[in-house]
Order: sequence, then structure tokens, then C-alpha cells
Amino acid sequence: NAGVTQTPKFQVLKTGQSMTLQCAQDMNHNSMYWYRQDPGMGLRLIYYSASEGTTDKGEVPNGYNVSRLNKREFSLRLESAAPSQTSVYFCASSESDMETQYFGPGTRLLVL
Amino acid sequence: GQQLNQSPQSMFIQEGEDVSMNCTSSSIFNTWLWYKQEPGEGPVLLIALYKAGELTSNGRLTAQFGITRKDSFLNISASIPSDVGIYFCAGRRTGNQFYFGTGTSLTVIP
Repeated sequence: NAGVTQTPKFQVLKTGQSMTLQCAQDMNHNSMYWYRQDPGMGLRLIYYSASEGTTDKGEVPNGYNVSRLNKREFSLRLESAAPSQTSVYFCASSESDMETQYFGPGTRLLVL
Repeated sequence: GQQLNQSPQSMFIQEGEDVSMNCTSSSIFNTWLWYKQEPGEGPVLLIALYKAGELTSNGRLTAQFGITRKDSFLNISASIPSDVGIYFCAGRRTGNQFYFGTGTSLTVIP
């Protein structure tokens, strides 16, 4: 099993550009999550999907949208990137929304 | 937003020494998790705790769910160079959102 995979690993954007971060898991987990990690801030939840067909806002949702494409895939979209969105983005999944989360390797995003 | 306070922020220790770190919150949590993150990687789960007072070990690692439910502790015995990384705590109250600590960076000097 690959676990949680994320693409791309690195991305550089100019302010105003859009992009989609992809995440997939092969553990048949119901719940999936997107976090951002900034220096000295720990991980902060952007959006999550408790089950296929549902999505909810987390702590820092502004400037982002998500799509739970199917049970395996959960994408994060930046419609108009801003320098404040420079961060490392982690996707995670868990068997249910009450269970331990398993993380992907991260996507490093730089917005100029 | 809710944030967990971890201390210390960083540690530099000699190989073979024991390590202690903790995580505190002003709120009560029902679940505590401890993760380790190595450079360029995502966090990897080390230990999960589900009951107040619970003490759980994973090899040289031992974690405790504080009796007040507002804190948790992680100890590493006889540290080795591969213990290097950032250790994060995470807590969950009711509901399905986990809150993460700011991390403790551990450096082990051979």
C-alpha cells in the first residue's frame, strides 16, 4: 500500500494564479483532511471530508476550495494564489472522523 | 483558533540521554496523539492515547494522557541519532477536529 500520496511535491506560483493540489489514499479510509504547516504554527486544518460526498471548513478555509472526487481522492484548489498561502500542505486520511489520521509527504508551495 | 502549547520548543541532547516533552491546553481533550516528522516528510503517528491517565509505550517511547485531560507527555529513553526530528502532539475534544501543537525540535548529538 502506498498510503497517502500527494502531487505535486513542489510548486511555484505567481500571485493570482490558480492550481489544484491532489491527494489520494489507498487504505479505504472514509475521512480525508487538508492541513497547512507554517513555521512556529504547527498544523492547521483547512478543510476536511468526513465521508464521501461531504466537506466541511476547518480552522483556516479562506482562499481555498475542496472536492471529494470519490472515496480515494480529495483535492484542494487555490483559485487566486496569494503570498500568504506560501506553506507546506499536508493531506491526511483516517478510517472515520474520530480515528487517528495518517499523513502524506506534503506539497511545498511558494507563491511569489 | 485552538492551539496546543508544546515545550520545550527545541532540545539538543547527547546520544544516550533520556528526553521529556509535554503538551498543554486550556481545554479538555478526549484523545491525544503524538507524531514525529522528519525533514521533507509528513508526520508519522507514534502513539495514540484515549483515556485519562493512560500510559502507553512504543519501544523506547512512552506517552501519558494527563489526569486533568488538559495535557500529555512524551518520553524517549536512551536517545539515538535517528530520533532526530520534530515531535508534534495533537488533541481532539468532542467532534472530529484535531488540534496540533507547535512542535518540539529534537537534535541528538552523537
